[in-house]
Amino acid sequence: EDKVVQSPLSLVVHEGDTVTLNCSYEVTNFRSLLWYKQEKKAPTFLFMLTSSGIEKKSGRLSSILDKKELFSILNITATQTGDSAVYLCAKRNYGGSQGNLIFGKGTKLSVKP
Amino acid sequence: DTAVSQTPKYLVTQMGNDKSIKCEQNLGHDTMYWYKQDSKKFLKIMFSYNNKELIINETVPNRFSPKSPDKAHLNLHINSLELGDSAVYFCASSQQGGNEQFFGPGTRLTVL
Repeated sequence: EDKVVQSPLSLVVHEGDTVTLNCSYEVTNFRSLLWYKQEKKAPTFLFMLTSSGIEKKSGRLSSILDKKELFSILNITATQTGDSAVYLCAKRNYGGSQGNLIFGKGTKLSVKP
Repeated sequence: DTAVSQTPKYLVTQMGNDKSIKCEQNLGHDTMYWYKQDSKKFLKIMFSYNNKELIINETVPNRFSPKSPDKAHLNLHINSLELGDSAVYFCASSQQGGNEQFFGPGTRLTVL
């Protein structure tokens, strides 16, 4: 079965800390890798990565993909309590299940004041 | 305006009942999806559908069936509900071939 593995599963930090969330995936039919943030309700889109080595940035969040080693990281600098959420990594494949996202189990981030 | 909406937000029902969850998107997307998120927050694809094909995740029981009256709607029908069906169900949409999927707010289904 195609898998996306995220680590750590949960993380507790204090405001101002920098965190790195990890996501590894299987190479089969890989098309792109996406990061989502889920607070209480629906996942909201953060980044989509298709090429190795190109960092995507949005404010204090950034992400990069390594297609050789089959992983991606999501960095959050100067964390705030509002960053507390579950961060989901998802892989999108080419082929028969076009559009279907294969999600990891998420990393639950708790940022304490 | 809500991009992807679902109704109801909460659904509590007895085992054995048949229920439906509705999903509508006003983004002009042509592909829609249903996901199930279990108590451990694991999101798993159930269906993807556009006007050409329905792709079913083989692990989904045939008690679950998507119905699309038009491009903007993809409803989820569930027959003979079981305790294990309790979860949050998310609808999503995207452009065909598009990577970013927009999610609805979710429907929390509780089967008693």
